[in-house]
Amino acid sequence: GESVGLHLPTLSVQEGDNSIINCAYSNSASDYFIWYKQESGKGPQFIIDIRSNMDKRQGQRVTVLLNKTVKHLSLQIAATQPGDSAVYFCAENTGGGNKLTFGTGTQLKVEL
Amino acid sequence: GAGVSQSPSNKVTEKGKDVELRCDPISGHTALYWYRQSLGQGLEFLIYFQGNSAPDKSGLPSDRFSAERTGGSVSTLTIQRTQQEDSAVYLCASVWGDGSYNEQFFGPGTRLTVL
Repeated sequence: GESVGLHLPTLSVQEGDNSIINCAYSNSASDYFIWYKQESGKGPQFIIDIRSNMDKRQGQRVTVLLNKTVKHLSLQIAATQPGDSAVYFCAENTGGGNKLTFGTGTQLKVEL
Repeated sequence: GAGVSQSPSNKVTEKGKDVELRCDPISGHTALYWYRQSLGQGLEFLIYFQGNSAPDKSGLPSDRFSAERTGGSVSTLTIQRTQQEDSAVYLCASVWGDGSYNEQFFGPGTRLTVL
């Protein structure tokens, strides 16, 4: 079946560097994508979203890029901080349905 | 304001016992989701409630799983005759609107351990 997946299970970065977390999706009908951050012992927290009619969206220190040609989604975090250490999930909504399909997550570790 | 709350935060039970997990959504949110998260995995959709409509139960893994939402607010997920493979974190999320393109607000989850 179609699925959402992540390229790297663990990403280690130095404090102050930029982080890039990648996600591949295979359902071409997906039209809405979300990035969530999950800290240990907590539920996922919304970071940023993007619709399929856009290829880039910026938030505070975060940017999401969408490449529909290769079905690729990325999350860029600028000037990574220790508080950014968490698991990051991408999720997709297919065709306006009410369900999200989540990837398996990438663990981001920020080294001092 | 208050976010989504779930109780208990941790539940340890013996195989074969029934368990009930509770979710209190954000007041005014009409949509509510239950997910299951196994160790090191993403979130697996279980069930979706929207207002007074019939719930979408398509993600429930077996007939041992059921959920109710009373008065359009509090929801209870019940697992009967628990098995060890039911061990996971169970997450609840509520949404304002129909959930299609709106942010899902998650609770902290209930960690279920079946011995």
